[in-house]
Amino acid sequence: QSALTQPASVSGSPGQSITISCTGTSSDVGSYNLVSWYQQHPGKAPKFMIYEVSKRPSGVSNRFSGSKSGNTASLTISGLQAEDEADYFCCSYAGRGILIFGGGTKLTVL
Amino acid sequence: QVVLQESGPGLVKPSETLSLTCTVSNDSISSYYWSWIRQPPGKGLEWIGCIYYSGSTNYIPSLQSRVAISIDTSKNQFSLKLTSVTAADTAVYYCARTPRFLEWVSGAFDIWGQGTMVTVSS
Repeated sequence: QSALTQPASVSGSPGQSITISCTGTSSDVGSYNLVSWYQQHPGKAPKFMIYEVSKRPSGVSNRFSGSKSGNTASLTISGLQAEDEADYFCCSYAGRGILIFGGGTKLTVL
Repeated sequence: QVVLQESGPGLVKPSETLSLTCTVSNDSISSYYWSWIRQPPGKGLEWIGCIYYSGSTNYIPSLQSRVAISIDTSKNQFSLKLTSVTAADTAVYYCARTPRFLEWVSGAFDIWGQGTMVTVSS
């Protein structure tokens, strides 16, 4: 099972909105509404940001939102802030008892 | 505040067995799914497998022949064993919890340990 495809990097200025894509196949992202997103600052454990495509856990800012179209899930961050600079990973159920992650996207706040 | 803490050797020789334990503090290990996830240096995350408090397990097929996850509810701990390790198993290993209201297939991990670096080298 291959990793989900994410852009290596994205960037944006404070206050802007950015979107990170997570592309899979009809066997994983396209088949299940079981996509989650994680934020990871350098040297830290990942932080839970989104689950089941678009649901936000308690305590996560509403500047973070998730969506899905076909085989591609997306994470949008609005009102970009300096502390949003981090790596972001998507995760999807791929059937047959497998969870797969994306390769990660480095977000730079200019 | 629930805290997960990984423990185990930071250096393992090739062909030997990697053994890690995750201790859960400030909450019961019962009624949750618990996973092991690893991250090679500078790379992405890889889900290894999970265990329910009842002892049922799920493993990623690529590691299934080498991995075993077990749970000790009396100690509030769960463990990972990975046999016949190679340099490719060098990574930061994280333990993580799936929220009680979700199944492990959700890929949702709300609590993570700080991670422990394991290097495979002679």
